[in-house]
Amino acid sequence: QKEVEQNSGPLSVPEGAIASLNCTYSDRGSQSFFWYRQYSGKSPELIMSIYSNGDKEDGRFTAQLNKASQYVSLLIRDSQPSDSATYLCAVLQAGTALIFGKGTTLSVSS
Amino acid sequence: KAGVTQTPRYLIKTRGQQVTLSCSPISGHRSVSWYQQTPGQGLQFLFEYFSETQRNKGNFPGRFSGRQFSNSRSEMNVSTLELGDSALYLCASSLLTGGEGYTFGSGTRLTVV
Repeated sequence: QKEVEQNSGPLSVPEGAIASLNCTYSDRGSQSFFWYRQYSGKSPELIMSIYSNGDKEDGRFTAQLNKASQYVSLLIRDSQPSDSATYLCAVLQAGTALIFGKGTTLSVSS
Repeated sequence: KAGVTQTPRYLIKTRGQQVTLSCSPISGHRSVSWYQQTPGQGLQFLFEYFSETQRNKGNFPGRFSGRQFSNSRSEMNVSTLELGDSALYLCASSLLTGGEGYTFGSGTRLTVV
């Protein structure tokens, strides 16, 4: 099984700052990449998907993909205390299996 | 639109017993996957079903099994429970494949004593 690596954190940023979350993956054949947010005691929630190299923006979130470097990132602009959660990077393998990183815990202080 | 529904929410079982967990996907979703989440290992893929067929399987022992019914509802079974099976079991569904992203249910918290 291929791997997905994330820094576990915690990543602490002040309210209004940009939070940058990073992820690397080992399977060069991967084509679909996702970011999930998981609040404590809750299930993962899909917040971004990205399939081609470059940036994809959705509101305050921007996902970036670089397949040559096998690198995916998530930027959260104007971070809010409500963004405090664990962010999980996931890579789709064999078309149907999500392989997750261990997650990065983000803490946004007001 | 109803989300992914998992039952029961909590379970306490004794070592050696078996357990069956249930999942109803979002209406119209035909792909159902199961994941195990533990503090040490994180989220790990168990298996995926589509049209009553297992299409993909993770690296778990044969004690973990699943099935899918014609209405896309799915069950997973764990036999001969071990203490290490204590975890949050999450079901996720998508329309056809994982390419469009999976939506997760609230999970079943299994405690093995």
